[in-house]
Amino acid sequence: GAVVSQHPSWVICKSGTSVKIECRSLDFQATTMFWYRQFPKQSLMLMATSNEGSKATYEQGVEKDKFLINHASLTLSTLTVTSAHPEDSSFYICSAPPAGDTQYFGPGTRLTVL
Amino acid sequence: DAKTTQPNSMESNEEEPVHLPCNHSTISGTDYIHWYRQLPSQGPEYVIHGLTSNVNNRMASLAIAEDRKSSTLILHRATLRDAAVYYCILSFSYGGATNKLIFGTGTLLAVQP
Repeated sequence: GAVVSQHPSWVICKSGTSVKIECRSLDFQATTMFWYRQFPKQSLMLMATSNEGSKATYEQGVEKDKFLINHASLTLSTLTVTSAHPEDSSFYICSAPPAGDTQYFGPGTRLTVL
Repeated sequence: DAKTTQPNSMESNEEEPVHLPCNHSTISGTDYIHWYRQLPSQGPEYVIHGLTSNVNNRMASLAIAEDRKSSTLILHRATLRDAAVYYCILSFSYGGATNKLIFGTGTLLAVQP
């Protein structure tokens, strides 16, 4: 099946710094990718839709200036958590659809902000 | 977005069939029924999806009620590796565009040896 990768798989940073997470579709092109956040023992929460060549669409309540999304190419989307704080510590997951309605998910990135 | 209702948790024994139910009484005619599962500390994994007819693949079967207000994911022989959270999600696809997936709380499946 289709493969989606994320980098890094985990990151620890100091409060106030920015962290960039990459999401790549390895064997297909994706004009749309999705970013989710998951807190411990909770379900995935959709943060935003990343669109190649245009601005991302953010879900209600997600700060677009804090979570910067750039869909640089048909195989790469990046999520930058700016001025990270401990409450941003979470599991960040991206997904992409090879075709149609099925989505393939990355392995996730564990962010810990000290 | 149409909502789904799943039991919080279920238990099964290894090598026995598992039937995971999902209610979606407000489903619309164009909503697809998707199932994904998530193992601990991993991203979700696609399992199966369907619109009206029952579907089979190498992982599972999806049985869809005639009125489409409910569906059941069937794992024919549960293994320890099937222990995961299973999510039933409705998704509308129009014109080839991919719709976003809104995850509910899912069903935590425990498999006993």
